[in-house]
Parts: sequence; C-alpha cells; structure tokens
Amino acid sequence: GAGVSQTPSNKVTEKGKYVELRCDPISGHTALYWYRQSLGQGPEFLIYFQGTGAADDSGLPNDRFFAVRPEGSVSTLKIQRTERGDSAVYLCASSLTGTANYGYTFGSGTRLTVV
Amino acid sequence: GENVEQHPSTLSVQEGDSAVIKCTYSDSASNYFPWYKQELGKGPQLIIDIRSNVGEKKDQRIAVTLNKTAKHFSLHITETQPEDSAVYFCAASREGAQKLVFGQGTRLTINP
Repeated sequence: GAGVSQTPSNKVTEKGKYVELRCDPISGHTALYWYRQSLGQGPEFLIYFQGTGAADDSGLPNDRFFAVRPEGSVSTLKIQRTERGDSAVYLCASSLTGTANYGYTFGSGTRLTVV
Repeated sequence: GENVEQHPSTLSVQEGDSAVIKCTYSDSASNYFPWYKQELGKGPQLIIDIRSNVGEKKDQRIAVTLNKTAKHFSLHITETQPEDSAVYFCAASREGAQKLVFGQGTRLTINP
C-alpha cells in the first residue's frame, strides 16, 4: 500500500482482556517501529524490528506487552491482561533504512481504550 | 538517556503572523532533529528535519534552526495559514540510532 496501515483504528476492551493490534508497513520497508502516545504527550518508543527480529525492545513497559513480525512485513502488538493505564494511541511506523536519521512514516494509529 | 523538552504547550497566533516553537535536548551526542505535524486522528507526519552539521534549514514557509552549543532547536512558521493548525512535535536521535525521543508537543492554533 501507499502508506502504513493500522487496524483496528479504535479498540475498546475490558480490563483483563487480551488485545492484538496490527500494522501493515510500506512495502519494502525493512524497519518497523511501535510507539505509544498517551493523551497530550509525544510518542514513546516501544519496540523496533529489522526484518523479522526485534532489534530493540527496550521500550516495552512490562512482560504483558509482546510484538511479532514473523515474515518481516506485517507486525502484531499483543497486550495481555490489559489495564486501564494501557489506554493510549498505539502508533506504528516504518522506514526504508534501519536508522531514525531519515525519518519515519507513521500510520494513523490504533486508539485503545481499556474500561 | 536523551530527554527532549518542548515549549510552549499551546500557541495561538493570528493568520499571517509567525509562530515559533522551541525544544531543548540533553544528549550532546544527538545529531538528528526532525519536526512532525500531527492532525486530529492521524499519525505524525515529518515536515522538516535538520542534522548537526548545519545551523539552519528552510523549506518554503517553514524553517528550523539549531544551536548545538546551547542544545536547542526551533521551528519557525511564517505567514501562518489555518491549515497550519495542528500539534507539532520535535524529536532527537543519535547517529545510527533507531529510535526517536519526542518532545511533549505544541498545539498550534491559527486564528482567522
């Protein structure tokens, strides 16, 4: 596709449930990033993939968060036992190279609300 | 690690006037400084960036300046238009780094 696609655009879930958020990067982009944006804040880094492997997962807040990219294209961010504090917009971005120095292309995000 | 502070948090200007948003960073090794514009319901979009080997970069009505000694950089928008209304984020990263550290954002409102 022409841009980074994220689905669903909105997700409401009950506390304690499991959720999956999907990201379809720009075709040919080997680098993929997940960021989390809380209300009124800038995006915060969660995890970076180069190809199929997670090259840097230092931003994942705890072991309830996990992400995969099995074929080096689509990625899924998985959150177990959701908590109200997980409510945020989850942004995915991709880039042609593996460095931030050439800018990212972000998707429109998934707004997650935990009730 | 890197820390990026951005101000003001909100800015309101009359259409046609200039707007300036400022950011400071803490990591002297940072050398890439992009600015992103985020409209309601959309992801951030890169509008301009600057690397540490230059002090200023301009693209039509938008310019960015960098002072490496003071560790601050600024976004300047001239002849503002209603479509400039959005939230703007500055960010910083080191050479070869994969992640960006973002500021808290500035909500810019252009009043007609």
